[in-house]
Amino acid sequence: KAGVTQTPRYLIKTRGQQVTLSCSPISGHRSVSWYQQTPGQGLQFLFEYFSETQRNKGNFPGRFSGRQFSNSRSEMNVSTLELGDSALYLCASGTGENYGYTFGSGTRLTVV
Amino acid sequence: AQRVTQPEKLLSVFKGAPVELKCNYSYSGSPELFWYVQYSRQRLQLLLRHISRESIKGFTADLNKGETSFHLKKPFAQEEDSAMYYCALFSGSARQLTFGSGTQLTVLP
Repeated sequence: KAGVTQTPRYLIKTRGQQVTLSCSPISGHRSVSWYQQTPGQGLQFLFEYFSETQRNKGNFPGRFSGRQFSNSRSEMNVSTLELGDSALYLCASGTGENYGYTFGSGTRLTVV
Repeated sequence: AQRVTQPEKLLSVFKGAPVELKCNYSYSGSPELFWYVQYSRQRLQLLLRHISRESIKGFTADLNKGETSFHLKKPFAQEEDSAMYYCALFSGSARQLTFGSGTQLTVLP
């Protein structure tokens, strides 16, 4: 069974640009969550999608958005990048029930 | 609001010694708690869930609602246990995991 796949693994962007990150969940999983990991703030919840619907969003500005497709793949977008957006972005997939989430390896975003 | 506290950023023990990683939580509802582990250069992995009361790689964790704790324990630490450990609380209503700040465990030979 393939795990959670996140692409790309690394990204370098310039301030003001926008970026799109992709996540393919485990086959059969309909829940996809996104987390931001930084040394200062740790792991913080961004949003969760289930069957193409955003069910919850964390305390992040509107520049952070996401979506989920009918095949459960998800994308997150960050517009007008700021230096503080540099982080490891993690995607987690689950069945939608609370049996724990499986995380991807993450996308390392560096904003210069 | 929910909160997870891991008071130790760093913890070092010798191989064969017992280890306990502390986790305290604050949550108004019925908590669902997890331990995740991140080995060097690997992805975050689910270690165990309180609802299953299982033992994984010799680790156990008991939910103590009176003390609002979910400490992770292992009687005899191994060098391969060296990793970053995160305690996390799942909110069913918010559909999110709230993570503690993590404890870096180093098992010395």
